[in-house]
Amino acid sequence: DAGVIQSPRHEVTEMGQEVTLRCKPISGHNSLFWYRQTMMRGLELLIYFNNNVPIDDSGMPEDRFSAKMPNASFSTLKIQPSEPRDSAVYFCASSSRDSYGYTFGSGTRLTVV
Amino acid sequence: AQTVTQSQPEMSVQEAETVTLSCTYDTSENNYYLFWYKQPPSRQMILVIRQEAYKQQNATENRFSVNFQKAAKSFSLKISDSQLGDTAMYFCAFMKHSSNYQLIWGAGTKLIIKP
Repeated sequence: DAGVIQSPRHEVTEMGQEVTLRCKPISGHNSLFWYRQTMMRGLELLIYFNNNVPIDDSGMPEDRFSAKMPNASFSTLKIQPSEPRDSAVYFCASSSRDSYGYTFGSGTRLTVV
Repeated sequence: AQTVTQSQPEMSVQEAETVTLSCTYDTSENNYYLFWYKQPPSRQMILVIRQEAYKQQNATENRFSVNFQKAAKSFSLKISDSQLGDTAMYFCAFMKHSSNYQLIWGAGTKLIIKP
């Protein structure tokens, strides 16, 4: 199993640009989570999906953030327009009832200049 | 609401020593899971060990073991024969049995293994 795959691994963009982060969960996992990690706030849950349906998006900072999961094997997190305070590492993780906890992707380090 | 507390922001030990990281949690639930995750400088989040609350036996994974005290709501991680590669942030996490797998995280402990 290739694990949870995130792309890109690094992203540098200018303020105001649109940013799209991608995630492919582990096949068979029915829950998917998007996290943001910063030094100041640690790990923050942004949104999670169960069976492709968004269950809780209360962690999404504001309307500039949106997430989709069109099918069981793909999810995106979009920031439009991006701002310097969005700079962080964004993790995707997947899980299922039979799995041994979450499996995380390698993360995307986003830098907005 | 559930909370997870890691009271040690940073620890350092010599290579080959044993180190214990503390974690306490607060919940009114009876069925839940507890986890320790490791995040080395590579930033990859790696699951170290898991404990089901209904199991009295402490979980072990090679050099990693836990001391799970349900009544005290304590879940400490012991690393035996510590190695340089154990240098990482360690996060304790809690999950209700019926929570759609949502984890509640501690703030983390930075562990440094010195040669």
